[in-house]
Amino acid sequence: DAGVIQSPRHEVTEMGQEVTLRCKPISGHNSLFWYRQTMMRGLELLIYFNNNVPIDDSGMPEDRFSAKMPNASFSTLKIQPSEPRDSAVYFCASSFGPGRAYGYTFGSGTRLTVV
Amino acid sequence: DAKTTQPNSMESNEEEPVHLPCNHSTISGTDYIHWYRQLPSQGPEYVIHGLTSNVNNRMASLAIAEDRKSSTLILHRATLRDAAVYYCILWNYGGSQGNLIFGKGTKLSVKP
Repeated sequence: DAGVIQSPRHEVTEMGQEVTLRCKPISGHNSLFWYRQTMMRGLELLIYFNNNVPIDDSGMPEDRFSAKMPNASFSTLKIQPSEPRDSAVYFCASSFGPGRAYGYTFGSGTRLTVV
Repeated sequence: DAKTTQPNSMESNEEEPVHLPCNHSTISGTDYIHWYRQLPSQGPEYVIHGLTSNVNNRMASLAIAEDRKSSTLILHRATLRDAAVYYCILWNYGGSQGNLIFGKGTKLSVKP
């Protein structure tokens, strides 16, 4: 298995533009998580899905952020409009069930820079 | 959520054992102790987890105090590749879905 695949690896965009981050979870995993990492705040859970259904989005910073999971093999995190404070590394992770037995598998992340 | 306390940083020499401590004095009976690590420029990686008994796997060992108020992640022979931030996380499995909440972790440096 290729693991959790995120694209793009790096994204540089101008303030006000729409940004879409993509994630392909491990086949067979039914839970998917989006995290954001900054120096100031560390790793923060933004939202998670179970069986393609959003379960908890309380970590989403504001209405500019939205996430979708149209099927079991694909998820997107969209920021519209983007702002410089959104600059961070965004990680996607997947697990089988709640991840109690074998934990979460993380992707390599997308480094977002908003200028 | 119950909290954990870890040293900000630790140093080790290559090929020597490393003991990474974690205090969790407010742990509840249903909290599992999970360890993850994050290598530079990579996403976090699962290392090991346990509830009450000590655990071993190919990556590390987890020693849990009898009162469960502390635990220690043991790397038996540190390599340069083990330089990473190590996170000790309490994960309550209660309810329909537990969440993995990361703290600041311990930054481990390994000297050749």
